[in-house]
Amino acid sequence: DGGITQSPKYLFRKEGQNVTLSCEQNLNHDAMYWYRQDPGQGLRLIYYSQIVNDFQKGDIAEGYSVSREKKESFPLTVTSAQKNPTAFYLCASSIGASGSRAQYFGPGTRLTVL
Amino acid sequence: DAKTTQPNSMESNEEEPVHLPCNHSTISGTDYIHWYRQLPSQGPEYVIHGLTSNVNNRMASLAIAEDRKSSTLILHRATLRDAAVYYCILRDLQGGSEKLVFGKGTKLTVNP
Repeated sequence: DGGITQSPKYLFRKEGQNVTLSCEQNLNHDAMYWYRQDPGQGLRLIYYSQIVNDFQKGDIAEGYSVSREKKESFPLTVTSAQKNPTAFYLCASSIGASGSRAQYFGPGTRLTVL
Repeated sequence: DAKTTQPNSMESNEEEPVHLPCNHSTISGTDYIHWYRQLPSQGPEYVIHGLTSNVNNRMASLAIAEDRKSSTLILHRATLRDAAVYYCILRDLQGGSEKLVFGKGTKLTVNP
């Protein structure tokens, strides 16, 4: 089955620890995205990548880092510099970043920092 | 970004058609109309999108007004699994549309 997988579904970490969220897609999509969603709120873009070895900051990149070494993988690291990391993190991918292309989402990772 | 206006909530009965409206009076000629939905505690799900012509897929139909200032998402036979928040989003073909901007959407309740 083609799709986007995110792991783990739930993640608990102590304050001050870095944590890496996994996102893998087998859709052969060029573009990948990371969003954050807080309770009752819309999605906010953290980072996106239109091609391997290239990525751009979104609206709330501070305290996060990404890499895009392979087309199918786009891991997100939440660093200790992120002041309020507890949130629902969503990864998405699309054939291209154009407005004519749909974005397909993974199931999400719910991160709780204790 | 051009804005969209949707009703806060709508209700439907199972197996009946549902028409979800969206107004986008400031739409530009290169804006695509996208619809997504989000079930509780899940990631958003792509439903359908179009530019000028009506579109059909296995999930739904999208009816776009001739002046493109409004559109309607049509679920032909609602099921309990269709209960979700539905978002109408405009995305410009010409770039600068990397992110999806979700408004408040329409919360659809489906009654058995």
